[in-house]
Amino acid sequence: GENVEQHPSTLSVQEGDSAVIKCTYSDSASNYFPWYKQELGKRPQLIIDIRSNVGEKKDQRIAVTLNKTAKHFSLHITETQPEDSAVYFCASEGYQKVTFGTGTKLQVIP
Amino acid sequence: DAGVIQSPRHEVTEMGQEVTLRCKPISGHNSLFWYRQTMMRGLELLIYFNNNVPIDDSGMPEDRFSAKMPNASFSTLKIQPSEPRDSAVYFCASSPLAGRGELFFGEGSRLTVL
Repeated sequence: GENVEQHPSTLSVQEGDSAVIKCTYSDSASNYFPWYKQELGKRPQLIIDIRSNVGEKKDQRIAVTLNKTAKHFSLHITETQPEDSAVYFCASEGYQKVTFGTGTKLQVIP
Repeated sequence: DAGVIQSPRHEVTEMGQEVTLRCKPISGHNSLFWYRQTMMRGLELLIYFNNNVPIDDSGMPEDRFSAKMPNASFSTLKIQPSEPRDSAVYFCASSPLAGRGELFFGEGSRLTVL
């Protein structure tokens, strides 16, 4: 089955700096790559996604890049703010199944 | 729409007892997923349904776990008998169609088995 690896597991940045989270996947048939944000005690919620026919997608301060050849994708958050502090999960979808990475706990220090 | 609704939000039970978790997906969504979240194992897919039919239950840990979806608006996840290692947050999620995008998660059911 699909295997999704996510790094780093924890990340601390100063407010205003950028944060980058990286994921790799194993199944070349995967074609949809969402990112979810989970605040403490809350449910995961989609923040951005990318499909395999696109290399990059941006939404205000967040962007995702995808390299299908290398089977890796990344989340970039610019101008980080304290409210960005949360756990971020990457995911890969193929054959109707979504497999999640192990999560990155992001702490933005004011 | 109220979103995906799960109950109970919290459950504390003793080892050996039966636990039933409930989920109401978003109206019109054809796919329903049960996930388990723990610190050690992250978010694990247990089972998912398309149009009320179980498609993949390979993530169900063992025979103590069972899930049903008798109609488009209701699903249950049952653990019988429960064990302390089943303690986790169980999330239900729905999607308009599996393989077509965003999962909408419920608030989760936090289960503690003593």
